[in-house]
Amino acid sequence: EADIYQTPRYLVIGTGKKITLECSQTMGHDKMYWYQQDPGMELHLIHYSYGVNSTEKGDLSSESTVSRIRTEHFPLTLESARPSHTSQYLCASSATGGKNTIYFGEGSWLTVV
Amino acid sequence: QKEVEQDPGPLSVPEGAIVSLNCTYSNSAFQYFMWYRQYSRKGPELLMYTYSSGNKEDGRFTAQVDKSSKYISLFIRDSQPSDSATYLCAMSPPDSWGKLQFGAGTQVVVTP
Repeated sequence: EADIYQTPRYLVIGTGKKITLECSQTMGHDKMYWYQQDPGMELHLIHYSYGVNSTEKGDLSSESTVSRIRTEHFPLTLESARPSHTSQYLCASSATGGKNTIYFGEGSWLTVV
Repeated sequence: QKEVEQDPGPLSVPEGAIVSLNCTYSNSAFQYFMWYRQYSRKGPELLMYTYSSGNKEDGRFTAQVDKSSKYISLFIRDSQPSDSATYLCAMSPPDSWGKLQFGAGTQVVVTP
């Protein structure tokens, strides 16, 4: 079972507020990812990191930013939330080498009103 | 056009039946194929992982990959009500570690 934790699980916030979604994993994985998923739709990669101080944008454009200062921690920040940011955000991680298997956290459901 | 196509369902089956799920894809570079199970308001859970073509069996689950047809399948034998969930296929080329392309998911309902 994967040990990857996301907080908060559910958040309702007003337009214009700054938010940070936390993600931590205890598996020592080098690679971490943020996916975005709207209800009934595909998951889309918005950010990924292959190690400390490494961050890249994914296939889906996002106004969010990420940082990777520690191996186990990969927070996502929205400087000014908008209703269009309402979605589920899923953090994931994988090990270098071996199977290309991705382990997901439980997700953070964000609603911007 | 989406790179990965998956019928959204819902697919309703009686308990004990075989559940058959599939995805088609257009990118011939895909070589890693995965099936995830996602319960409502939860993160996806990896069920099956297959590299290149062929079959793989794990308990009640069988995954098949036909690269010539760009078609993958997941079969669930002796389905249980606890199998009711959304099943997502995912895939990637060999040089895109972790950067998966997902299908939209098929909702499965197993009725007692």
